[in-house]
Amino acid sequence: NAGVTQTPKFRILKIGQSMTLQCTQDMNHNYMYWYRQDPGMGLKLIYYSVGAGITDKGEVPNGYNVSRSTTEDFPLRLELAAPSQTSVYFCASSRGGLCQPQHFGDGTRLSIL
Amino acid sequence: QKEVEQDPGPLSVPEGAIVSLNCTYSNSAFQYFMWYRQYSRKGPELLMYTYSSGNKEDGRFTAQVDKSSKYISLFIRDSQPSDSATYLCAMCVGKAAGNKLTFGGGTRVLVKP
Repeated sequence: NAGVTQTPKFRILKIGQSMTLQCTQDMNHNYMYWYRQDPGMGLKLIYYSVGAGITDKGEVPNGYNVSRSTTEDFPLRLELAAPSQTSVYFCASSRGGLCQPQHFGDGTRLSIL
Repeated sequence: QKEVEQDPGPLSVPEGAIVSLNCTYSNSAFQYFMWYRQYSRKGPELLMYTYSSGNKEDGRFTAQVDKSSKYISLFIRDSQPSDSATYLCAMCVGKAAGNKLTFGGGTRVLVKP
């Protein structure tokens, strides 16, 4: 049982480039989330989804986009990479809503130079 | 002032000692309280989940919630080197009150053999 799988694990981008961070879960969870984690700052919610076709902004959505076409997949897209987006990105899923226990992937470490 | 305060550490203890971790918060609307453990270069994993004030025990782990003092704690008994990790507290306001999840910045714990 893989749980939440994120790809790639590491990536270096140049300023202005775009990329998609992939996230897949095999637990049939309706709720999925994207966070960024900066040193000492805690996890910040970027976007979340309550089911296929439904997404909503979190605390720090600027510069990112998401889509949810299936229950399993929740990709995060960076359109014009900026140095401020250098961070570790985590995808998570839960059976219930935001306040329920979440299962996390192992993250994508992204550097923008 | 941050909504959730957590000492970043590192907290260094000898093997077998009790580890005591704390978070304070300012938002009295928080209803759900969680502790996550995060190993280096891995995603957070849920350790403890509580809804009300009081104590909850699970093996070597005890979580305490004191809503009147806006203070939560995690105790790890008989600590092992495998407990060396970063511990994140998280607090959540339910859907009816705004649906918001806030993480602390994490406390790094080192258990020395």
